[in-house]
Amino acid sequence: DAGVTQSPTHLIKTRGQHVTLRCSPISGHKSVSWYQQVLGQGPQFIFQYYEKEERGRGNFPDRFSARQFPNYSSELNVNALLLGDSALYLCASSLGPRGAGEKLFFGSGTQLSVL
Amino acid sequence: RKEVEQDPGPFNVPEGATVAFNCTYSNSASQSFFWYRQDCRKEPKLLMSVYSSGNEDGRFTAQLNRASQYISLLIRDSKLSDSATYLCVVNDGNTPLVFGKGTRLSVIA
Repeated sequence: DAGVTQSPTHLIKTRGQHVTLRCSPISGHKSVSWYQQVLGQGPQFIFQYYEKEERGRGNFPDRFSARQFPNYSSELNVNALLLGDSALYLCASSLGPRGAGEKLFFGSGTQLSVL
Repeated sequence: RKEVEQDPGPFNVPEGATVAFNCTYSNSASQSFFWYRQDCRKEPKLLMSVYSSGNEDGRFTAQLNRASQYISLLIRDSKLSDSATYLCVVNDGNTPLVFGKGTRLSVIA
């Protein structure tokens, strides 16, 4: 069975541009979460989607947006890129909506560099 | 106070050594606890869940102390392949998983 897949694996953009990152969850998983991990820090929560509805949003500006499609895949969009947006963007899938004990399975991430 | 705090390390230990990491959390409503392992520039992978009674998986033992709000991870007989960053994760069931910054372990031959 395929795990969580993310594309692209690496991306280089310049300030002011926008970017779209893609994620396909594990088959049967209906929840997708997005995390940002800056070097030397733990992953920081950006969004969670379950059954195509936003279930949670972290402390990120409105330049960050996401959506989930009927096949449960997801996109993360970032507009007006800043240097500080350079990070590893991780997608994680889980079976159901957020709940105690829910385990996350991560994709290998998209390394975004903003120049 | 940060939600989840970990000593960033690095912990440099020889092969065969026993090493322990602690992690403290601030949310007393936290219900579930995990240790994730992350290799350099790779995604985090679930190492083990942490149960109230403590649990063991081979060379790895996890403990939870609710009164003092900390969890621990003990690694016995360290292997070179254990070198990684270990992330402490807590969840209260209503908010997203909260990750610590991680503790870096280097096992030296």
